[in-house]
Amino acid sequence: GIQVEQSPPDLILQEGANSTLRCNFSDSVNNLQWFHQNPWGQLINLFYIPSGTKQNGRLSATTVATERYSLLYISSSQTTDSGVYFCAVEDTGGFKTIFGAGTRLFVKA
Amino acid sequence: DAGVTQSPTHLIKTRGQQVTLRCSPISGHKSVSWYQQVLGQGPQFIFQYYEKEERGRGNFPDRFSARQFPNYSSELNVNALLLGDSALYLCASSGILATLYNEQFFGPGTRLTVL
Repeated sequence: GIQVEQSPPDLILQEGANSTLRCNFSDSVNNLQWFHQNPWGQLINLFYIPSGTKQNGRLSATTVATERYSLLYISSSQTTDSGVYFCAVEDTGGFKTIFGAGTRLFVKA
Repeated sequence: DAGVTQSPTHLIKTRGQQVTLRCSPISGHKSVSWYQQVLGQGPQFIFQYYEKEERGRGNFPDRFSARQFPNYSSELNVNALLLGDSALYLCASSGILATLYNEQFFGPGTRLTVL
């Protein structure tokens, strides 16, 4: 089945710094989503981005489907950005969604 | 509009027991998916249901089963609980059109502890 790899696994930033999170996937996908999981376990939708580029405030994302990767950019990071960021893809072979292992982000004040 | 709701919030069971978890999707959504998230890992896909029929199944044993009701709510059942079933169980709803792979929205989860 499709493999989803996220990097880096852990990231520590000083407040105000910028960062780039990467998601690689091993096969064609029907869609791709980025989520932020807060400390209480709630998955918060960031982007639904099977291809192209989107921006939402300090966050933006780019998916290059032909090269099988997606990037999540966080600019001017804040302590509230801390948490785990997941990439999830839906494979073309059947109705399954595969999550990566996540990037654990900690933003220091 | 209300988001995805799940019940109960927390649950403690003992090995060998059975458990039923419930999920109500966002109004207008017809698809519900279930995921298991073990501490420190990403969510693992269990099932997807659309219009009361199973559309996808992950690599979980037959002890896991689910169903979707005419109002699109869903139940996940786990029989013969094992210690390894302790996890956060997440429900997601999506899709107002059957042919599109739509954005998923997640509920707050049910935290199951098996003793």
